[in-house]
Amino acid sequence: DQQVKQNSPSLSVQEGRISILNCDYTNSMFDYFLWYKKYPAEGPTFLISISSIKDKNEDGRFTVFLNKSAKHLSLHIVPSQPGDSAVYFCAASGYNNNDMRFGAGTRLTVKP
Amino acid sequence: EAQVTQNPRYLITVTGKKLTVTCSQNMNHEYMSWYRQDPGLGLRQIYYSMNVEVTDKGDVPEGYKVSRKEKRNFPLILESPSPNQTSLYFCASSPDRGITQPQHFGDGTRLSIL
Repeated sequence: DQQVKQNSPSLSVQEGRISILNCDYTNSMFDYFLWYKKYPAEGPTFLISISSIKDKNEDGRFTVFLNKSAKHLSLHIVPSQPGDSAVYFCAASGYNNNDMRFGAGTRLTVKP
Repeated sequence: EAQVTQNPRYLITVTGKKLTVTCSQNMNHEYMSWYRQDPGLGLRQIYYSMNVEVTDKGDVPEGYKVSRKEKRNFPLILESPSPNQTSLYFCASSPDRGITQPQHFGDGTRLSIL
């Protein structure tokens, strides 16, 4: 069963606009959430994370929002740049677990 | 340069022929893990290791073996590969446990089992 779901396989936005990538999870024991970015022929690289004790974490152009009651998190990229074009994976784990669950990924295309 | 190195990057082989994908990290990380990436399924964890000689099953361990004899190396072994193990594989490491610290990933190994 997929405990972490990214329901949008792809997203296309114009350069300079906001990109919003969404992620839903089913396991209420998840405490820690991460976003990874992946370019073709490379491994995923860490982008930003959030702990369940927070509802927002910001790092430059990237902000992650967590809504625990809805079991939903989102990644906002403002402003979007062509170099942001990549596949974005949402991941989640519990502090008492040793494994991590990933979503299927969303391919973001930022058009110049 | 801090990195996770996987070899080979690409491999085409036949059913039943044992193969090993090597993974090495130079960051002295405690935690290492293997994932497979399949379309529509994202990354699924195969095995992980909390430290030397300590390994445990992830989400999809069937058909795979691992070992952790040294801290830096975490090879993935397919004793009798089958076509359903055709996939893109990633090795990853992190300083501790992996769940509260981001993992560093290798560039992937694309396996095709005919």
